[in-house]
Amino acid sequence: NAGVTQTPKFQVLKTGQSMTLQCAQDMNHNSMYWYRQDPGMGLRLIYYSASEGTTDKGEVPNGYNVSRLNKREFSLRLESAAPSQTSVYFCASQGTVGNTIYFGEGSWLTVV
Amino acid sequence: QKEVEQDPGPLSVPEGAIVSLNCTYSNSAFQYFMWYRQYSRKGPELLMYTYSSGNKEDGRFTAQVDKSSKYISLFIRDSQPSDSATYLCAMSAPGFNKFYFGSGTKLNVKP
Repeated sequence: NAGVTQTPKFQVLKTGQSMTLQCAQDMNHNSMYWYRQDPGMGLRLIYYSASEGTTDKGEVPNGYNVSRLNKREFSLRLESAAPSQTSVYFCASQGTVGNTIYFGEGSWLTVV
Repeated sequence: QKEVEQDPGPLSVPEGAIVSLNCTYSNSAFQYFMWYRQYSRKGPELLMYTYSSGNKEDGRFTAQVDKSSKYISLFIRDSQPSDSATYLCAMSAPGFNKFYFGSGTKLNVKP
């Protein structure tokens, strides 16, 4: 039961570097999401994709880009990392039963 | 005002206690209500979900929704140290690809 798989789990970046967080789900879900979680701020939506080929901004999209590569995969790219992007990033996909959402294990990103 | 309010705790209880976790919300369009458990350094794990009003029970866990008061609860009976985690409530409205999360309540069950 893989569910939602994220890579890498941990990453340290220097300011200005770029990187891509990868996410894949094996539940045949249409909708996928990227969140960041910060102490005292809770989960905040960065981008989401309602279906293959579509993406939409969430509440904190600045500094990020996404690609919905196919139904399974949804990647998040930081073009020029900033210390303010130090966070835990969660990918999630939306189930068809009960409108529930399922999360990956998270990617811990530190920008120095 | 946030769409979903949740007391951050921390909440510390002795093993065996009944725990009550709560969230309030402002949007009457919400119909789907979820509770997630998040252990340290892990992703949120779906614990319970309910549609519209009423109760749902699963083992030691009971989820309760009161739409008239815009209030949801999660009860944990016979709490165990392994229940120590942060609990997040979440909700959404039909037809919308957006979920609203509480900030999470940190629970510590002492042996």
